[in-house]
Order: sequence, then structure tokens, then C-alpha cells
Amino acid sequence: QKEVEQNSGPLSVPEGAIASLNCTYSDRGSQSFFWYRQYSGKSPELIMFIYSNGDKEDGRFTAQLNKASQYVSLLIRDSQPSDSATYLCAVEGASYDKVIFGPGTSLSVIP
Amino acid sequence: DAGVIQSPRHEVTEMGQEVTLRCKPISGHDYLFWYRQTMMRGLELLIYFNNNVPIDDSGMPEDRFSAKMPNASFSTLKIQPSEPRDSAVYFCASTLTQSNTEAFFGQGTRLTVV
Repeated sequence: QKEVEQNSGPLSVPEGAIASLNCTYSDRGSQSFFWYRQYSGKSPELIMFIYSNGDKEDGRFTAQLNKASQYVSLLIRDSQPSDSATYLCAVEGASYDKVIFGPGTSLSVIP
Repeated sequence: DAGVIQSPRHEVTEMGQEVTLRCKPISGHDYLFWYRQTMMRGLELLIYFNNNVPIDDSGMPEDRFSAKMPNASFSTLKIQPSEPRDSAVYFCASTLTQSNTEAFFGQGTRLTVV
């Protein structure tokens, strides 16, 4: 089993819709969880991080964490064409150092 | 701070040649990570350093790969000899010591081995 798994996509949503991106992880002791966005040909950049169970909102983005289910998600409300990118889920291990990335989900927002 | 700086941005080399990738982390960051990204395998962690000391190199694919961090402001990733399957984008990233910290990525080096 891979340490961090995501649906590879591509995920297509119409402009204005909610995009839902999912991630599961294998290390039950994982402490922190990150969502990065990567535009084609660019480096990853952090969107949000979450470390407590529940929801965390930042503008149009909401991260959801369920440690019991080892599941983390990212919701993007009112999706815009500029949100079209690959979204990488990243998990920080129990020892608070190594961060492992998932394979990424490609999102396409259709105008 | 100018962020994480990697060089070169692009490298094309012939199979069998030595390749050296360079990285300057953000000043004050204690952790430095080397990642490799391909379409097939995604973003893979190769090795990371804490305070210039290699902590985990289990992601280094073969003995042809080596990495050093001689001081807090410089790291290299070397491939010798290079092979076509090494073609990828190599990213360097740095973070602060504490948990819940953002990894800042360099712009990457696109390596093509022909």
C-alpha cells in the first residue's frame, strides 16, 4: 500500500461548482496534512494545512480531516478556471519531519 | 529572502555523463529535501537533511545517486553515471524545524538524459 493515495483524475467540474479532492494515508501516527497546488511546469505551492479533526476554511477552500478514517479532503467552492491545476496531498509523519506527497489529482474547471 | 534557488533550470546531458544539481535553501530553514517528479511516479522524496546531516536517503534509487550538504546554505544532488530513465524534474525544498510548516520549493531542474 502506498503511503499517500489520491485519485489521479482528471477531475472536471464546471465553473462555479464545488470541486472535491480526496486523499487517504497509511501511517496512523501522521500528524499534519497539507494541500499543495501545482500549475503545469511550475513548482508546488501550499494552499492549506490541517492537523486537527474537522474542517478548516480559508476563503473558497475547505480542508477536512478524519484521522480515524485516515482521510483528508479539499473542497473548492465556486471553482474558477484559474483553479485548474494538479492538487497534491502531503502528509507529515509521526516524527514531524519527513513529508510524503501523494501522486496528485488533476483538476480541470470548465468555463 | 529570494526563496529556494536551484540551478541549473534545465540540463540536457548524454547518457553516462555526470550531472550535478544545486540548491540554496531559505536562510534559517533547518530541513532540506530533494524530490524527483515524473508523470509515472509523481513527486518522490529522494533524501532529506536536518542541520546539514542526511537523515533518510531511503528514496535514493541507486548508488549512482548521491547528495551532500556541506553547509547550511548549499546542497548538491549528483548522478554518476546518468541514464535516460533519470530524466525528470528535480525539486529542492526547505522547511523550518517546527511541525505544521510549509515546504518551500525551488523552481526545479528539468533534467533530460539522451
